[in-house]
Amino acid sequence: DGGITQSPKYLFRKEGQNVTLSCEQNLNHDAMYWYRQDPGQGLRLIYYSQIVNDFQKGDIAEGYSVSREKKESFPLTVTSAQKNPTAFYLCASSQQMWNTEAFFGQGTRLTVV
Amino acid sequence: RKEVEQDPGPFNVPEGATVAFNCTYSNSASQSFFWYRQDCRKEPKLLMSVYSSGNEDGRFTAQLNRASQYISLLIRDSKLSDSATYLCVVNLEYTGNQFYFGTGTSLTVIP
Repeated sequence: DGGITQSPKYLFRKEGQNVTLSCEQNLNHDAMYWYRQDPGQGLRLIYYSQIVNDFQKGDIAEGYSVSREKKESFPLTVTSAQKNPTAFYLCASSQQMWNTEAFFGQGTRLTVV
Repeated sequence: RKEVEQDPGPFNVPEGATVAFNCTYSNSASQSFFWYRQDCRKEPKLLMSVYSSGNEDGRFTAQLNRASQYISLLIRDSKLSDSATYLCVVNLEYTGNQFYFGTGTSLTVIP
């Protein structure tokens, strides 16, 4: 089945540690996105990538880093510089065409302990 | 100013009721419009795209008003299973195909 897979589903991090969230898609989509969602809030864009080996900062990129070495993969690293990393992280992908929707993975819930 | 604004609700309606959500967007260059549904602690899933001529999918009707820059979603004959958060989404191709999400409108359908 085609889709987007995020792992792990739940992640616990100690303060000061970097962690990497995985996102893989087999939909052959060019564009991929990372969003953060806090309780009662909407989705905020962290980073997005339109093509392999290229990515752009979103609205809240500070404390995060990404790579796009393969079309299928867009991992997100939450660094120790991110002061409030506890949140629900969603990865999405889409085709680069008019009026095509974004497809989401099941999300990773990150908690700092 | 936010790209997309929605009334967060909550909307609490009895089963069988008709409920409408509105959403406004700020950028007139917005090109694609969608309604997503998000259940508690789950990922958003596409409910329907919104076309300029309006479109219907069963009990759901979406409308787009470009002149006033708003999008609406009408749910008829509400079911308990319609309880969720509904997200208004706008796509701006010239910004690199970014999707802009509203904060969502919470709906609870009461027996």
